[in-house]
Amino acid sequence: EDKVVQSPLSLVVHEGDTVTLNCSYEVTNFRSLLWYKQEKKAPTFLFMLTSSGIEKKSGRLSSILDKKELFSILNITATQTGDSAIYLCAVPGTNFGNEKLTFGTGTRLTIIP
Amino acid sequence: DAGVIQSPRHEVTEMGQEVTLRCKPISGHDYLFWYRQTMMRGLELLIYFNNNVPIDDSGMPEDRFSAKMPNASFSTLKIQPSEPRDSAVYFCASSPDRGFPYSGNTIYFGEGSWLTVV
Repeated sequence: EDKVVQSPLSLVVHEGDTVTLNCSYEVTNFRSLLWYKQEKKAPTFLFMLTSSGIEKKSGRLSSILDKKELFSILNITATQTGDSAIYLCAVPGTNFGNEKLTFGTGTRLTIIP
Repeated sequence: DAGVIQSPRHEVTEMGQEVTLRCKPISGHDYLFWYRQTMMRGLELLIYFNNNVPIDDSGMPEDRFSAKMPNASFSTLKIQPSEPRDSAVYFCASSPDRGFPYSGNTIYFGEGSWLTVV
């Protein structure tokens, strides 16, 4: 059975701090790993990672994948209160694309002003 | 684009009542998904449709749950009879295709239907 484990479960930091969120996975025939940000409503897409060692960046957010060690990290630098959210990672099931995503339970990030 | 539209946004119902959740996917998207989110289990896929046809309903918890997609712009998820353990946020999502490695597309979520069964 495919498995995605995220850590920590929750994290509280002060504005301006840098945070690292972790996602480890177990899936046969790995294809991609997806990161989503969920504020109060719908999860919204952040990154898709398919190759080891290639960092994806979007402003203060960046993510990297290690296919050998089966994990990914999401970094957020100079955090702002708007970064407060649940961060989810997901992997498609074996031999599937996005139609069968297995999600982790998420990391709840709280930024204190 | 209006995005994925769900209704109702919030529903409180009594145990034993029928609950119907509705979803309008993004126009042109061939895939529609129903997910359930709880604190304990996170986001779980219940069922997905491709071109209005149910493909995989292995995530539907039991026979009390059913889903239909009568046309490309509408889907329902029904719970009958509802139980307190069904309390959760139910998300509908859609996607134009299967995503990577077939394309770079991802899935788009609606804002969810918050269900409380008392």
